[in-house]
Amino acid sequence: TQLLEQSPQFLSIQEGENLTVYCNSSSVFSSLQWYRQEPGEGPVLLVTVVTGGEVKKLKRLTFQFGDARKDSSLHITAAQPGDTGLYLCAGVSREYGNKLVFGAGTILRVKS
Amino acid sequence: DAGVIQSPRHEVTEMGQEVTLRCKPISGHDYLFWYRQTMMRGLELLIYFNNNVPIDDSGMPEDRFSAKMPNASFSTLKIQPSEPRDSAVYFCASSRTGTRSSYNSPLHFGNGTRLTVT
Repeated sequence: TQLLEQSPQFLSIQEGENLTVYCNSSSVFSSLQWYRQEPGEGPVLLVTVVTGGEVKKLKRLTFQFGDARKDSSLHITAAQPGDTGLYLCAGVSREYGNKLVFGAGTILRVKS
Repeated sequence: DAGVIQSPRHEVTEMGQEVTLRCKPISGHDYLFWYRQTMMRGLELLIYFNNNVPIDDSGMPEDRFSAKMPNASFSTLKIQPSEPRDSAVYFCASSRTGTRSSYNSPLHFGNGTRLTVT
């Protein structure tokens, strides 16, 4: 079982639609990061959240950290084909030795 | 900043052969991580180093796997002997600080080595 459960596993939408992907756990995290990975490349950091309830915006992307620091969400407004990729959440938790652990990811495909 | 450099990009080998993957971290980064990515298990941390010293190798699957960091600019991950189930993409990543001391420190990943063991 994954320490971080991501949903959905796969999402295929039309350009211009909105979407939300989720990252959930039963453990408390000191911090949580979101990465995007494109085929043939390594993951690239999008954002880090550290405070319960924190909301961060990066252009059309909105990231939220749950109040209890056990979950997070990524909302994309007006998705574009360039948003296509694998979205990974990763967290640091004392329960996992304070090492950065990754969820399995959400594969997003945005069709034009 | 050239980023984290990994070589080779692709490696195809036969079962039983020795495989060596190489990584050059970003200059000035004190932490180096080796991850393995598969469809079934996602990204798994294998081992990480701080100032060239292995800190946690609990993710290394078996004694067939070993990693070294002889200096601040070079690390290797070796598999001997290799098996088909080792087929995966292996990533090296570096960061300025570890996750214990700076929660805002991002990991900078290389583009990975795709290993196929037949």
